[in-house]
Amino acid sequence: AQSVTQLDSQVPVFEEAPVELRCNYSSSVSVYLFWYVQYPNQGLQLLLKYLSGSTLVKGINGFEAEFNKSQTSFHLRKPSVHISDTAEYFCAVTGGGIYNTDKLIFGTGTRLQVFP
Amino acid sequence: KAGVTQTPRYLIKTRGQQVTLSCSPISGHRSVSWYQQTPGQGLQFLFEYFSETQRNKGNFPGRFSGRQFSNSRSEMNVSTLELGDSALYLCASSLASGAPVGNEQFFGPGTRLTVL
Repeated sequence: AQSVTQLDSQVPVFEEAPVELRCNYSSSVSVYLFWYVQYPNQGLQLLLKYLSGSTLVKGINGFEAEFNKSQTSFHLRKPSVHISDTAEYFCAVTGGGIYNTDKLIFGTGTRLQVFP
Repeated sequence: KAGVTQTPRYLIKTRGQQVTLSCSPISGHRSVSWYQQTPGQGLQFLFEYFSETQRNKGNFPGRFSGRQFSNSRSEMNVSTLELGDSALYLCASSLASGAPVGNEQFFGPGTRLTVL
């Protein structure tokens, strides 16, 4: 069965500093990976996704992620964060040999708190 | 293009009652999925519908049910509400024109259900 682990429940960082949010997945076959962001009292918004091809994926709001198959990781990075990046970030996976569904399996989330 | 809409946004019910939540997908989207979000369990998949057929179901008791109409709008119903059903219920839609290959899911703002 597939699973997603987000190792950090909270990540505090100062404004303009770089940040990395970690995500590891468990699957023996190819998967599709996503990062979503959730602002307070809102739904989820897609930041970026990896389906195939280049392992470095660029998303919205200056975020990027690198797919590492050997380490089964898909860490999210941003070189310089802003106060407005304060939110909950979710890593998710789908696929894994099951192709007749869009079902997402989510990690437990990482709360990014940006301080001035 | 309007996004995914969910009604109502907030609901307060008492134990034993039943509730129906509604989701209108983005125009042209044929797949609708439902997720439950709680502080303790995180984001958990409830069901997925495609062309009025349930394509996938999560590990929830039979009190949770759903359906999709010919216009792709979806409803979910929870009968005999329990305190533990208090959660944010999120609906997501995707194009899913063929075999799903990491289709992007677009999320609505959610319905906040409180069971007293």
